[in-house]
Amino acid sequence: EAGVVQSPRYKIIEKKQPVAFWCNPISGHNTLYWYLQNLGQGPELLIRYENEEAVDDSQLPKDRFSAERLKGVDSTLKIQPAELGDSAVYLCASSIQGNEQYFGPGTRLTVT
Amino acid sequence: GNSVTQMEGPVTLSEEAFLTINCTYTATGYPSLFWYVQYPGEGLQLLLKATKADDKGSNKGFEATYRKETTSFHLEKGSVQVSDSAVYFCALSVSNAGNMLTFGGGTRLMVKP
Repeated sequence: EAGVVQSPRYKIIEKKQPVAFWCNPISGHNTLYWYLQNLGQGPELLIRYENEEAVDDSQLPKDRFSAERLKGVDSTLKIQPAELGDSAVYLCASSIQGNEQYFGPGTRLTVT
Repeated sequence: GNSVTQMEGPVTLSEEAFLTINCTYTATGYPSLFWYVQYPGEGLQLLLKATKADDKGSNKGFEATYRKETTSFHLEKGSVQVSDSAVYFCALSVSNAGNMLTFGGGTRLMVKP
């Protein structure tokens, strides 16, 4: 069984540029999560989807961050424009009905 | 709110030494408790979990006991190996918060041969 797939694995951009991250969850997993992991810290939830509905986006900075999961399968997280402080690892996870979460390898973003 | 506090690293041990990584929590509601491990360049992997008081989670020689009276979930292993070198995260989830995971800051373990 394939795990959670994320791309790209690494991204370097200049500040003020847009960037997008893609996540494909494990087949059949209806719950999808995006987490932000700053260097030396634990992950923090940005947004949680149940199928195509964002049920918890209270921690998503909506002035510059957006996310979508149009068909309830794969998801895209976007930042526009990126700031230096956005440099971090962006993790995607999926689960069945909010049970055990399986994490992808993450996308490491560097904003210069 | 919910929070997890774990000992800061790095923790440096020699192979076959005994490992303890402390973890305490605060939670609204009755949490489930987890330890995740992150090997270099890889994603988080669930190591073990416990869902109710006095449960012991165990996997790959690691174990942790859910202690409600001390709000703790300390990770232990009797004899570490070089391959155990990784970052370990303690976490909790509460069902009334959609099982959202709240993580501690992580503890880096380095095992020397």
